[in-house]
Amino acid sequence: NAGVTQTPKFQVLKTGQSMTLQCAQDMNHNSMYWYRQDPGMGLRLIYYSASEGTTDKGEVPNGYNVSRLNKREFSLRLESAAPSQTSVYFCASSALTGFHEQYFGPGTRLTVT
Amino acid sequence: GENVEQHPSTLSVQEGDSAVIKCTYSDSASNYFPWYKQELGKRPQLIIDIRSNVGEKKDQRIAVTLNKTAKHFSLHITETQPEDSAVYFCAAIVPNTGNQFYFGTGTSLTVIP
Repeated sequence: NAGVTQTPKFQVLKTGQSMTLQCAQDMNHNSMYWYRQDPGMGLRLIYYSASEGTTDKGEVPNGYNVSRLNKREFSLRLESAAPSQTSVYFCASSALTGFHEQYFGPGTRLTVT
Repeated sequence: GENVEQHPSTLSVQEGDSAVIKCTYSDSASNYFPWYKQELGKRPQLIIDIRSNVGEKKDQRIAVTLNKTAKHFSLHITETQPEDSAVYFCAAIVPNTGNQFYFGTGTSLTVIP
């Protein structure tokens, strides 16, 4: 039981390049989330998927797109990376939204030069 | 949206002493308040949570208190140990935003042996 997995662990991009961060969970959770973590800013929600087939914007969605590929997988795409998107990205999942523990993946450290 | 403020940003205590971290929130509709611990280089993990219909909850050396009137909640760690050293994040959920988690900016706790 791997829990929540993310790929890649590290990535360096040049401004304007695109990439997709992958996330998968094996806990049969309905809800999945993407956060970014910046020094002094805590964790901020980018997008979430309350259930398979739905996605919604979080606090900081600009510059990102998401796809809930199936119940297990939730990807985050940067179409044209900017230095302001340099951050650590965490995927998380929970049984449902609301009063349910969110389980986090190991994170992806992204640097945009 | 919700605004969660967390203080202090850094905290150092002697082993065996108590540590208290405080958070305030702005939206009176918030109804769930989890606390996550993040060790250096690791993923955040839930350590304790409280719902808005409860004033206090304990789990061994950790406790959380909630004051709905004042819109603040606190994490209390007693008999601190070096392994308690980590960054702690509070969060609040607002039901009418799809149950999004709004995180505080984190408190870096150092327990000095």
